[in-house]
Amino acid sequence: SYELTQPPSVSVSPGQTARITCSGDALPKQYAYWYQQKPGQAPVLVIYKDSERPSGIPERFSGSSSGTTVTLTISGVQAEDEADYYCQSADSSGTYRGVFGGGTKLTVL
Amino acid sequence: EVQLVESGGGLVQPGGSLRLSCAASGFTFSSYEMNWVRQAPGKGLEWVSYISSSGSTIYYADSVKGRFTISRDNAKNSLYLQMNSLRAEDTAVYYCARTGTTMGDAFDIWGQGTMVTVSS
Repeated sequence: SYELTQPPSVSVSPGQTARITCSGDALPKQYAYWYQQKPGQAPVLVIYKDSERPSGIPERFSGSSSGTTVTLTISGVQAEDEADYYCQSADSSGTYRGVFGGGTKLTVL
Repeated sequence: EVQLVESGGGLVQPGGSLRLSCAASGFTFSSYEMNWVRQAPGKGLEWVSYISSSGSTIYYADSVKGRFTISRDNAKNSLYLQMNSLRAEDTAVYYCARTGTTMGDAFDIWGQGTMVTVSS
């Protein structure tokens, strides 16, 4: 089955830039999506179609894509950004509509 | 307000069955594709199943294929997940999630989740 690979954890100090990667063989052909999940809450979409930001999501959240890797970048990290982040995509056939990466815990030091 | 509200979770014995419901409001439910996503305690998100807006196209994760059945009633603005032959590893919070129409395949709206515990 198709897999998306994320680092388990990323740590940054407030005001710094956090980068969270997600790798998958089908990413050159399929869009990637990013979700933020805080403890006890449902996930929230923060990036869609690799690099688009939904309304209401702060400008410090951005996304990019290069080959088989997509990256979520959070510029000027704030304490409130501490959360788990998940990438999501589909395999090249599109059959698996919601493959998720394993998640990355962002810690704000 | 656009909202999804899950219900039907609870404690069930291994081998048992449970039916989850997701009530949609604040949008034209019949126009949207829908999904079930689950999260085991302390673990990551796992996509479970997808259903098209009309219900004609359905997909399942391999882990639940043959045991779970997704369905919808557009007249009642409701999504369902019938879960049979439940196993301990099905223990999780189950979320319903809407696939947005302008954001590719993004899950743009999520419910608050309902907990399913499979244990004897």
